[in-house]
Amino acid sequence: DIQMTQSPSSLSASVGDRVTITCRAGQSISTYLNWYQHKAGKAPKLLISDASSLQSGVPSRFSGSGSGTDFTLSISSLQPEDFATYYCQQTYNTWTFGQGTKVEIK
Amino acid sequence: EVQLVQSGAEVKKPGESLKISCKGSGYSFTTYWIGWVRQMPGKGLEWMAIIYPIDSDTRYSPSFQGQVTISADKSISTAYLQWNSLKASDTAIYYCARRRLAPDAFDIWGQGTMVTVSS
Repeated sequence: DIQMTQSPSSLSASVGDRVTITCRAGQSISTYLNWYQHKAGKAPKLLISDASSLQSGVPSRFSGSGSGTDFTLSISSLQPEDFATYYCQQTYNTWTFGQGTKVEIK
Repeated sequence: EVQLVQSGAEVKKPGESLKISCKGSGYSFTTYWIGWVRQMPGKGLEWMAIIYPIDSDTRYSPSFQGQVTISADKSISTAYLQWNSLKASDTAIYYCARRRLAPDAFDIWGQGTMVTVSS
């Protein structure tokens, strides 16, 4: 299994803040990396695929970057509806999720 | 509308069997893989298994191989996840998700099925 490690595990931020979440793969995965947003009681939502491709309908304040082993998800100006848990997922060899990063209101 | 609709919450006793379902609609069910993902209480997402409904090709995470069985009935556009003997540690929310191939991602998710195993 390819291990995926996210940091931080949680963070507190205010509306309008820029937020960055990091995901590190246990081996090089090229850009086979997705990001999901998960709110309690709801289905996870695909935000970004292939490390940096924003899905249709996802606000442009979300962006992804990286390749190889190191990836980031950025939210340029945090909005109230962005408070959620975010997961990275590698698709290089089967599918593995990171442990999640909970974004909470400061 | 493309959607996956899962069966309702279950409360079971240890040792009992269970089969939960995931029905696809609004797209060609047989041409997309369907996977199952577990979320234990207070924990993250874990990929369990995946199936290609057109030929029932299946893959399992090593962590779940032998613990669950994935299946599909393409005639009714439904995928299943089955346990023969539940344990308390199977208590979790189970999500089904459609796998898109290019690029590879789980692009459509079911609403989740809560399974509680308690004596």
